Amino acid sequence: DAGITQSPRHKVTETGTPVTLRCHQTENHRYMYWYRQDPGHGLRLIHYSYGVKDTDKGEVSDGYSVSRSKTEDFLLTLESATSSQTSVYFCAIHRDLNQPQHFGDGTRLSIL
Amino acid sequence: AQSVTQPDIHITVSEGASLELRCNYSYGATPYLFWYVQSPGQGLQLLLKYFSGDTLVQGIKGFEAEFKRSQSSFNLRKPSVHWSDAAEYFCAVGDTGTASKLTFGTGTRLQVML
Repeated sequence: DAGITQSPRHKVTETGTPVTLRCHQTENHRYMYWYRQDPGHGLRLIHYSYGVKDTDKGEVSDGYSVSRSKTEDFLLTLESATSSQTSVYFCAIHRDLNQPQHFGDGTRLSIL
Repeated sequence: AQSVTQPDIHITVSEGASLELRCNYSYGATPYLFWYVQSPGQGLQLLLKYFSGDTLVQGIKGFEAEFKRSQSSFNLRKPSVHWSDAAEYFCAVGDTGTASKLTFGTGTRLQVML
């Protein structure tokens, strides 16, 4: 939807391994976001980007890093995955602050 | 800090009945408010948004919501529910600065009885 592709869609990995999730957009939108969704918590913001190389932390950023080297790609990295990072991760984008965010289909990540 | 409360975790209604999902928010200024719907295994789809102006907002699929500043509420309504409306519904408030950081409620799961 809205020209957003998240990859992979599903991943199972082990504690301590690095993991990178990718969000790719074809809309040329300026703003991109990473959220995680957990039962009982709704969605919580991890990191966001307001332009190429411009990123900042959200509510639950510990253990995560991001990079945005070009407009269309926003990468989320777990440097050393822990079981507490098992979650469904959503990417969202929008053109400007007066437009709503549109979400990708999510990545289900399981860390054993 | 901003926050959103959706007091109803789970609601069951009969098909054809009316629906109201509650949302209360805490925010220091005029908020940006949203309702999203999520079907199982899917992403979030925007139902409607409030940025300013008319406090009664119309959305897709026959949904509407009313912004009431005095009650810090943004309740979602539908006059007649269809079985396909069964899903999880999220209310969110948007903070603006360098970006629009959304704070979500914990969601309300809607079950529709045929």
